Amino acid sequence: GENVEQHPSTLSVQEGDSAVIKCTYSDSASNYFPWYKQELGKGPQLIIDIRSNVGEKKDQRIAVTLNKTAKHFSLHITETQPEDSAVYFCAATSTGNQFYFGTGTSLTVIP
Amino acid sequence: DSGVTQTPKHLITATGQRVTLRCSPRSGDLSVYWYQQSLDQGLQFLIQYYNGEERAKGNILERFSAQQFPDLHSELNLSSLELGDSALYFCASSAVPLAGTNEQYFGPGTRLTVT
Repeated sequence: GENVEQHPSTLSVQEGDSAVIKCTYSDSASNYFPWYKQELGKGPQLIIDIRSNVGEKKDQRIAVTLNKTAKHFSLHITETQPEDSAVYFCAATSTGNQFYFGTGTSLTVIP
Repeated sequence: DSGVTQTPKHLITATGQRVTLRCSPRSGDLSVYWYQQSLDQGLQFLIQYYNGEERAKGNILERFSAQQFPDLHSELNLSSLELGDSALYFCASSAVPLAGTNEQYFGPGTRLTVT
């Protein structure tokens, strides 16, 4: 099955700086890569996703890049704000049914 | 608010007992997914139902079962509970048909504590 690795496990940045979280996957058939944000006591919230036919996608301060050759994808958050503090999960899937999640990155934005 | 609802929010029970977790998907979504989130194992896919039928199975224990009803709500049944079953249980839904990949939207979760 698919194996998704996520780094770093914790990340602290100053408000206004950028944050980058990286994930690698093992199954070359994976074709959909969502990113979720989970705040304390809440369920994961889809924040951005990318499909294998696209190399980059942006949504305001958030962007995701995908390198299919190297089998890795990254989440970029620019101009970080305290409300960006949360746990972020990447995931990969080839079937659309079973999502394989990374182990999460706890992001802290220091005001 | 994702539109996915889960009840109860918290559940405390004893080892050996049986519990039922309930999920209502977003309006119009036919697929329901169940996940277990524990501190040491992250988010683990358990099972998927599509329009009342089991579609995919992940790391679901034999003591666990699920079903999806005609009104599309789903229930996850956990029996012979063990201390290690304590976790957050999430339901997600999507509009994905038989093929293709669509976004999954998660509910707020049920926190299960087994004592």
